[in-house]
Amino acid sequence: DSGVTQTPKHLITATGQRVTLRCSPRSEDLSVYWYQQSLDQGLQFLIHYYNGEERAKGNILERFSAQQFPDLHSELNLSSLELGDSALYFCASSPGSGLGEQFFGPGTRLTVL
Amino acid sequence: GESVGLHLPTLSVQEGDNSIINCAYSNSASDYFIWYKQESGKGPQFIIDIRSNMDKRQGQRVTVLLNKTVKHLSLQIAATQPGDSAVYFCAEIPREAGTALIFGKGTTLSVSS
Repeated sequence: DSGVTQTPKHLITATGQRVTLRCSPRSEDLSVYWYQQSLDQGLQFLIHYYNGEERAKGNILERFSAQQFPDLHSELNLSSLELGDSALYFCASSPGSGLGEQFFGPGTRLTVL
Repeated sequence: GESVGLHLPTLSVQEGDNSIINCAYSNSASDYFIWYKQESGKGPQFIIDIRSNMDKRQGQRVTVLLNKTVKHLSLQIAATQPGDSAVYFCAEIPREAGTALIFGKGTTLSVSS
């Protein structure tokens, strides 16, 4: 158990809908990262927050947004969902904003029908 | 295109054998490399990391080798066990990516007893 929690574990929704994925980092970790894992694209970095501020963006669609709250939990919002958004979404956390191990949560499996 | 890749998508070994999983990276400016293991239905789990100023790092039953000349990273697992069966990803942190991990596609290691 990494200490990172994600909810929900599974999510099934329809095209065009909006969903929110939630992540609670390890205690006292200030950085939260979101990654998407799909069969064709592998594990791809989406976005990084450090202590409430956005630090870096990767291959994140404009339909997706994220935020990190004062209690350091983070939410990833996915809107106008398409079939191709079906994937595993992982959150990872780390103590600081520098180089080092990232601790991954168990993921949320999103299925868009 | 992807920054990091693995040479073989699958590797099958016998229990007790040593396993070597290879990875080629393309960004010579990367400062940090990391190996993760992902078991079915779980998030990636840290195995070992290495910084660009090192050539070799050893952990418990695992060794990572970094050859910056040919931009090659390898993970050696000694006395491979059935519990080592998983997908292994190498990842790098290019300087321009902040601290986000850029993952390769992964190698599936199957250990038979």
